[in-house]
Parts: sequence; C-alpha cells; structure tokens
Amino acid sequence: QSALTQPASVSGSPGQSITISCTGTSTDVGNYNLVSWYRQHPGRAPKLMIYEDTKRPSGVSNRFSGSKSGNTASLTISGLQAEDEADYYCCSYAGSNTYVFGTGTKVTVL
Amino acid sequence: EVQLAESGGGLIQPGGSLRLSCAASGFTISENYMHWVRQAPGKGLDWVSLIYSGDNAGSYYADSVRGRFTISRDSSKNTLYLQMSKLRAEDTAVYFCARMPPINDAFDFWGQGTMVTVSS
Repeated sequence: QSALTQPASVSGSPGQSITISCTGTSTDVGNYNLVSWYRQHPGRAPKLMIYEDTKRPSGVSNRFSGSKSGNTASLTISGLQAEDEADYYCCSYAGSNTYVFGTGTKVTVL
Repeated sequence: EVQLAESGGGLIQPGGSLRLSCAASGFTISENYMHWVRQAPGKGLDWVSLIYSGDNAGSYYADSVRGRFTISRDSSKNTLYLQMSKLRAEDTAVYFCARMPPINDAFDFWGQGTMVTVSS
C-alpha cells in the first residue's frame, strides 16, 4: 500500500491552467477506473472534485477535469482562481478492498 | 442535509485504547460504504478502514492498523465507530469519517475530523 506519487507543489497565475499528476501502478491506478481527486483548504475537510477518473460531481466547477493514461492520472484546473489555492490529493482503489491516497500537491496561485 | 460529526478524540498514552464516533444525519450509514481516513499533522491523507453497506457488512483495514483497529456501526444510532487499541505515536492524526455511495466509489461527504494524540 505505497502512496501514489504526486508533485509536491504546482503553481500558476490567475487564469492559467495547471495539471497535477498522480502516478501509481498496474495494481491500483492502472487497473481500475476508480481514481478520485480531493481539494483541501487548510484546517478543512477534503472536498470531492473528480471521481471515476473523469467524472465531475454536481456543483463542482467545469474548470476541473480529470484524465488518465496507463498508471498515471491527472487533474487539470483551468482558469486558475485564488480559491483554487489548496492541497490536492488523488485516491485510487487498490484492490483487496483497500484504497490508497496520493502524497498530495500544494497548489499556489501566484 | 448530509452531515457527519466525529467525536472521541483526545490525548492518550502509547499502548492505550480509544473509541471514535461519527454521527451521521441526512442519510442512512448502513446503505453506504463508510470509511475512516486520517491525516497526521502537516502530512497527507491516509486511508484507514472501510465497512461495506448492508447486513453482515465486511470490514477492511490498512496494513498499518490491521489487528489494532476495529470499525463498526450502530444502525439504530446511525453512527460509525472506530475502536483503536495498542495505540502508537504514529497513530497521532486527525481522523475523518467519510461516506462512499456504492454507485461512485468516491468519498463524497466528510466530517470535520477529530484529533487523536498519542503521547506520554
């Protein structure tokens, strides 16, 4: 149950697009269409942003999109806004009724 | 409105036991998969445990807590529990409960968390 690998930090200017990667293995990310993404502001609970690799929950801005290729999933935030500054985590089903989170990425809006 | 409210955290000595509770409202916990996720201070999210929906629901654990933690629920109280024993310093974290509807395999609602500190 090793954590999925994410970049420690990503930054961008308002209005720009950024992409956060989430690299796992063929036993988790690459084996199921069950990657989800969460945004967490300091001191707050995480919020679901993307599920099942590419689906967006009701109420989540269409500036957020998910994709996956092989063992790497990605979250793209377009039209970056100040409120997007937060920590982002990916999560994948890892088989045998277990889940694994990513290492987390701090997004900074310059 | 869906709400999850954790309680039961606190300061506990190494080797001790603690039971966390997660009171749910606005939905029925036995109809959903329910999880515990923790976050050590300044660190990332760490999946802890899962209990499936329905009667005779299976329960599963991360390797780091298996044999020491037990997840359970009381449907009459609509409350999820995490019984923690043989606590270690590395169990120090904020513990969140989270709902996972069977249809989408993602944590769609989270509580605000309860802090557990294991220290002498």
